[in-house]
Amino acid sequence: KNEVEQSPQNLTAQEGEFITINCSYSVGISALHWLQQHPGGGIVSLFMLSSGKKKHGRLIATINIQEKHSSLHITASHPRDSAVYICAVFDPPGSGNTGKLIFGQGTTLQVKP
Amino acid sequence: EAGVAQSPRYKIIEKRQSVAFWCNPISGHATLYWYQQILGQGPKLLIQFQNNGVVDDSQLPKDRFSAERLKGVDSTLKIQPAKLEDSAMYLCASSHDRGRGGYTFGSGTRLTVV
Repeated sequence: KNEVEQSPQNLTAQEGEFITINCSYSVGISALHWLQQHPGGGIVSLFMLSSGKKKHGRLIATINIQEKHSSLHITASHPRDSAVYICAVFDPPGSGNTGKLIFGQGTTLQVKP
Repeated sequence: EAGVAQSPRYKIIEKRQSVAFWCNPISGHATLYWYQQILGQGPKLLIQFQNNGVVDDSQLPKDRFSAERLKGVDSTLKIQPAKLEDSAMYLCASSHDRGRGGYTFGSGTRLTVV
């Protein structure tokens, strides 16, 4: 079982729909990242959060540390939101760890006009 | 602030050839990472540098992959000889101090081995 699991793996939505992508993890973390990757492109950091909720434009990210679960929401989705969304948890340095990100497998989102 | 620079953006080589990728991190970022991302999967850490020292290369296939960061700034990743299964996106990222405060990723190099 992967340490970071995302669902769904693939998601198709109509423009304007509310979208939710889920991330569950099994390791202790100090922060969780939501990343966006466009086809053929590099990765852009959307959010880094360690508790509660963050909002940026139409994107909202929440995290529940006790349940080891995070969600990324997109309101009023648009075709330009089509991308791969990746959840990654930060395993902080210390006790032999070097400080690294552990990635989920990604969720491929397609928003149709 | 300039981002993480990577080159080339794309590379196509034949199997058994050699290839090198270059990365220039954010100025002042002590930690540099190379990731391999196979299509449909999340990135996998190949090597992590702290300044010019290697702190994690446990998943680097050392029989064919090598990386260096001689002056603690830019870095090169080399594959020699390449195999078909090395076809992937190679991503470079940097952080101020081992991930604290976040990461910045480059645009990646798409390698195709034929």
